[in-house]
Formats: sequence, C-alpha cells, structure tokens
Amino acid sequence: GAVVSQHPSWVICKSGTSVKIECRSLDFQATTMFWYRQFPKQSLMLMATSNEGSKATYEQGVEKDKFLINHASLTLSTLTVTSAHPEDSSFYICSASRDNRINSPLHFGNGTRLTVT
Amino acid sequence: EDQVTQSPEALRLQEGESSSLNCSYTVSGLRGLFWYRQDPGKGPEFLFTLYSAGEEKEKERLKATLTKKESFLHITAPKPEDSATYLCAVQAAGGTSYGKLTFGQGTILTVHP
Repeated sequence: GAVVSQHPSWVICKSGTSVKIECRSLDFQATTMFWYRQFPKQSLMLMATSNEGSKATYEQGVEKDKFLINHASLTLSTLTVTSAHPEDSSFYICSASRDNRINSPLHFGNGTRLTVT
Repeated sequence: EDQVTQSPEALRLQEGESSSLNCSYTVSGLRGLFWYRQDPGKGPEFLFTLYSAGEEKEKERLKATLTKKESFLHITAPKPEDSATYLCAVQAAGGTSYGKLTFGQGTILTVHP
C-alpha cells in the first residue's frame, strides 16, 4: 500500500497566488522528506530536503523564498509555492525513506500537478 | 557531475516478448542504484535497490542486474499491465543529501496484447 500520501493531486491557480501542497508519511515517522519536481518529458530533480524541526535545505538554483517548506511534525511536510507564475507549472512529488537511513529506498507520493494560469 | 542515461527512450513489445532496458551511469562513488516504475500522472513506485556490481534482484517478471558502469532491467514474458515508464536513479556516496537521487530520463515501455 501507499507509504507517502500527497494532497492535492492537482491544482490550478492564477498567477500571483500561492499554493500549498501537503506530504504525509503513512504509518512511519519521517524526520526528513524530499521534494522533487518533474517537468514534462524530463527527469525528476530534487528541489529541497525538508527537515523536521529545522530549516529546509535547498538545491542550487531553487529559490527558497519562492518555495517555502515547513516540516512541522514527524509525518507532515508542506511545500508552498508563493506568487506562482506559469513557469512554476510542473509536477511536484514528495518522498521519504521509511527508515530515514542513507541508501534506503525513497518512496514517492503520487505527486501534485500544478498549473498556473 | 553524476549522470544517468537510459536506453531506449521508448520500447514497444508484444505480450510475452522478453527484453531488457539499459541504465548507464557515471557517479563519483555509487552508494545505491534504484529502479522505479512510474505510471502516467503518478509518482514513481519503488522496484529495486542494487548496491554493488554483480548484485541481482528479482520480482515477478522483472530482474535487475548491476555492473560497475550500467544496470539492466530484464522483463520476462511481459504483460500489458507492465506498460509504464521505468526510471533508473543513482545515489552518490558523500552527497550532501541522502535523498538526492540523480534520475535518468526513463524508458517508456508499451506492451501490446
């Protein structure tokens, strides 16, 4: 069954507005979660690492003020796309490792399709 | 820079026609190589992890193998429900984030009945 749950599965918003995406780990605690982005016909790219109780770590080229990450509990991380623009339209996917260990497989949520009009 | 190249980009098979997907990689110290299956509009579903050259893993009609430069995903007697995009990803040793996987572009597999 699903290991990581993501909501909403799709969202359409107007340019300039903000959108929040939730990622929950099911039946396990995730001290760390990872946010990926996938553009059409392209590979998944890591955007940021979400750490419970501390600041997120962003990959090079990802604007931390635009993509706000909050990891308020051991089972929930949120990604807020602020002042969204059409170029932010993408497929956002969160992931977590069931045992939070290096080289353990990441389990991915079902993604959120964001369309900014 | 870590790189993953998958081939072919797309593969069309008849039901029962076995084949292999290739994943070539360049990484500064391999911590793990991962295979995922992704259905349209869904997140990747974990299939296998391989850690060292010579390792093999099997699950139903799928078998993954690993050498020092590439990995193969062998599909034996595929069924239409095996149709999906298969993604290969590597995790480098010493990375800043253990969740940082470098993904290939994927192979789109279509199995016709």
